[in-house]
This record gives sequence, C-alpha cells and structure tokens, in this order.
Amino acid sequence: QAVLTQPASLSASPGASASLTCTLRSGINVVTYNIYWYQQKPGSPPQYLLRYRSDSDKHSGSGVPSRFSGSKDASANVGILLISGLQSEDEADYYCMIWYSSGWVFGGGTKLTVL
Amino acid sequence: EVQLVESGGGLVQPGGSLRLSCAASGFTFSNYEMNWVRQAPGKGLEWVSYISNSGSTIYYADSVKGRFTISRDNAKNSLYLQMNSVGAEDTAVYYCARNTDSWGQGALVTVSS
Repeated sequence: QAVLTQPASLSASPGASASLTCTLRSGINVVTYNIYWYQQKPGSPPQYLLRYRSDSDKHSGSGVPSRFSGSKDASANVGILLISGLQSEDEADYYCMIWYSSGWVFGGGTKLTVL
Repeated sequence: EVQLVESGGGLVQPGGSLRLSCAASGFTFSNYEMNWVRQAPGKGLEWVSYISNSGSTIYYADSVKGRFTISRDNAKNSLYLQMNSVGAEDTAVYYCARNTDSWGQGALVTVSS
C-alpha cells in the first residue's frame, strides 16, 4: 500500500469548491505530519502552495491566493487541500508530500479539471 | 528572487554516467537543505535525494542508492547529482528544489541507446 494515496482525478465547476484528499497509509498518523501541497501545470515545475500541520502551524507559499487552504481529517487519516471559488486557472495536477522515513514521499497526484 | 537553474541533462546510453548541476541565486545557499526530485514522462513526482545545508547529512531513495551521488559546493552556490549506471527507468525531468518551497525548471535526462 502506498504511503500517500490521492484520487487520480477530480472535476468541479467554476466558482465551486474542491476538496483534494491525501490519505496516509494505516499506521502513519496524519496528526503528526506536515502535509505539503504542490500545483503543477503542463510543462512547468511544481509550485509550492502550502504546508499544513494544524490550524496553529501552517504556512502558505508566496503569492498563493487565500482560496487555497489546508486541513486534516484525523478520523480518516487524511490531509486535505481545499480550493474555494474555483477558477479555470486552477486546472492542474496537485501533489501532496510528507517527509517520511528519511525522505520525501509524494502522493500519486490528482488531476483537477474545472469545467 | 530565488532562482534555481539545472544543467547537464541530455541523452545518455544505458549503463553510462551523467552529472547534473543546479546553480542557485537570490538566497543564501549555504543556509538551505536541498533536494533532487524527478518526474518520468507522464508520471508523478519521485524524490531522489536530500542533502543538508552543510552537506553532512545525505539521504537517497532506494531506487538510486548506490548509483547516484548528491553533493554541493556552498562557495559556488551549486548543487550536483552524479548519476552512474543509468537505466531506462532513470529517464525523467530532474528538478532541484530548495527545501520544500522552490523548484528549478528542470533538466531532461533521457537514457537510450
């Protein structure tokens, strides 16, 4: 079982909100980890969006709109990227990442389609 | 402005070697941990290697351990990745990344005969 699991794709309408999930493997407690989120558009490198550990310990990348926010669902062992007020420019691949066992681990990525 | 510029990518034969470089500017390079991350064509992100700001701590992904070597020269504001015994599975865009928050544009490495 992968360390981080993301749904392969998600579709949402302009103006709506989208919740992108990142499920940690059983035995890896989401509460204790910083969850990093990246956005990648075709032909471009990943762009850092934010880091979320808790509501009192979080960080957003420079220039990242406040429409992007992080959270966790400890009961489901999931990290969440919430994008509100979806815009066409938000269409991209999104990756979650944690530092685990002496290395970065990425989720497989979610392709977000805004239509 | 943080800038990370990779170079050294190209076509290499299976079993061959290649050295990637990453030139850093716009920040105090010696203060930051650095990483290499790769992305195979049409695939997701895969972490390759980590080096601490002083170079004293290094980690590798299992997929490259024993074949790749990460290093840095803080006097030259540069990060390196020596790639040996490469195979088709190493074909990817290789990104250098400052800690977790800034990435270069990437260098394409193609392993093919």
